[in-house]
This record gives sequence, structure tokens and C-alpha cells, in this order.
Amino acid sequence: DVKVTQSSRYLVKRTGEKVFLECVQDMDHENMFWYRQDPGLGLRLIYFSYDVKMKEKGDIPEGYSVSREKKERFSLILESASTNQTSMYLCASSALTGGSYEQYFGPGTRLTVT
Amino acid sequence: QKEVEQDPGPLSVPEGAIVSLNCTYSNSAFQYFMWYRQYSRKGPELLMYTYSSGNKEDGRFTAQVDKSSKYISLFIRDSQPSDSATYLCAMLNNNDMRFGAGTRLTVKP
Repeated sequence: DVKVTQSSRYLVKRTGEKVFLECVQDMDHENMFWYRQDPGLGLRLIYFSYDVKMKEKGDIPEGYSVSREKKERFSLILESASTNQTSMYLCASSALTGGSYEQYFGPGTRLTVT
Repeated sequence: QKEVEQDPGPLSVPEGAIVSLNCTYSNSAFQYFMWYRQYSRKGPELLMYTYSSGNKEDGRFTAQVDKSSKYISLFIRDSQPSDSATYLCAMLNNNDMRFGAGTRLTVKP
């Protein structure tokens, strides 16, 4: 019953490293999202994509980039990791068709930058 | 002012109690209103959603939306220890989705 998978559950990286987080969905959803979740701040949108090769900035895109070369895969890239990017990263996919909405989240990647 | 306000709790209730979780929002353009449940170390799971105003019931869960007051609620009847989780509200307009910070709920046996 796998719907959204993320490449790693836990990741520890050093400051300045380039970090790749991968997300794959198997529901043929057009929309995919990357969020970060921090205590007291809830989920904040980093980037989203509504189609292959399309991307839109969310609320906090600084320090991040994304790639969507295939419909099922959405990658988040931290160009040069910093300690303030230590967080839980959640990927999601969604579809809104005929008034019916569905969205699924992946299990999350807890990233620690030291 | 945040676009979505949600009391983070924590909220602790005895088993069998009725739980009321609430969110307020400021953007009147939101059309879809969602509630997610997130267990520890897991991603959020969509519980239910409502389009525009009104009520929606699904088993022990009832979602209410009052667009005139910009206020949404989730009620859990006959709460169970397995309902212990963080509950997040969210609102959607086109591709603009906003989440509340989440309310941590504990249901004690």
C-alpha cells in the first residue's frame, strides 16, 4: 500500500555539503510538494510542482532547489547545507479532480546538519 | 498575524471524552478545509476534508466549517487512546495550502 516514499528516514550531513532528498509517488498525481516541519511552526511549504519540469516557490525557498524530471519523482536539493536547515522534511503528492481531493504524505526525512 | 492559527495544546482527555479541535484563519479565499492526523515519527495522514461551509461526518469524526467566522473545528466522539496524535488543520485555495501548527492530543485510558 505504498503511496509516497522518501529516500531516507534519517540523515546527518555537515555544513556546506550538498544534500539530495528524493520523493517518489505511485498514484499518478500531478501535484507534488516539499515541506519542512519545525516545532511550533507547523508545516511550511518550500517548493511545489504541478507538472513535470514545472516548479513554484513556496514560502521558504531560500537555500533550496527542486527537480521534477518525471511525474512520479520530486527531488529537493540543499545546495550548501546549513545548521538552520536541520528539520523534518516531508514530501506530499495530491490531486483535485471533480471536487474530490486526495493528498498523501511520505514518512518524512529527519535531517540534521552539524 | 499568521494565516492559520491553531492552539498547539497539549490537550489531554480521558478515554471516551468528546474532543474539540479548532483553527481560525484570515484568508477568505480558502475553499477546502482539511484535518490531518500525525502520529509520532510519521507523515501527516489526511483524515477528512470539507469543501466550503458546513459539516461532514465520518464515523467518530465530525468536521465543521464556518466561513463567516473563518473558524473550523474537528470533533472526535468517544475518543480512544489510539486517537493520541498531533492534529493539523489546513486550508486550500487552488495550489495555495496553509497549515496550522498542530494540536497535540493525548487520550488517557
